Amino acid sequence: ELKVEQNPLFLSMQEGKNYTIYCNYSTTSDRLYWYRQDPGKSLESLFVLLSNGAVKQEGRLMASLDTKARLSTLHITAAVHDLSATYFCAAKGGSEKLVFGKGMKLTVNP
Amino acid sequence: ETGVTQSPTHLIKTRGQQVTLRCSSQSGHNTVSWYQQALGQGPQFIFQYYREEENGRGNFPPRFSGLQFPNYSSELNVNALELDDSALYLCASSSGLTSSYEQYFGPGTRLTVT
Repeated sequence: ELKVEQNPLFLSMQEGKNYTIYCNYSTTSDRLYWYRQDPGKSLESLFVLLSNGAVKQEGRLMASLDTKARLSTLHITAAVHDLSATYFCAAKGGSEKLVFGKGMKLTVNP
Repeated sequence: ETGVTQSPTHLIKTRGQQVTLRCSSQSGHNTVSWYQQALGQGPQFIFQYYREEENGRGNFPPRFSGLQFPNYSSELNVNALELDDSALYLCASSSGLTSSYEQYFGPGTRLTVT
């Protein structure tokens, strides 16, 4: 059964700092998603990673995928307050379902 | 191109009652998936519909059921509501099993069971 683990689950960081968050999944999956969720809101798609070595960047966020290690990372560069949110990774399971991690709540402090 | 819409946005029900939640998929999308997100947790897959047929189900009891209509909109029905059913219910639409990989989520329906 596919399981997805994220760490850390909570992160408080200062503006301007860099940090990497991790997403491990337990069995083979050919697709890895990153979503952002603001309090009381739905999920906003950030990245879809499709192959080993895939790297995608959008603004201050960069995601990568290592399918051999079953690991995806989300790197935050020079954090700003607007990045404060909960970030979920999800791996594709059978029948196109997504299996989500518990999410990482990020707080960026001035 | 319209996005994914869900109705209602909020709902309060009593234990034992039944509820129907609705989702209109994004234009051109024929696949709808439903997820339950309890407070402070990640979304959990309930089931998926592809061209009006159920195409996969998560670990939810039979009192969770669904439909997909010819226009690809979908309903989630929950019978005999329990307190633990209180959650945000999200639907996601995508354009099929083998093409676009994006899954777009609707705004959700927040269900409270008292």
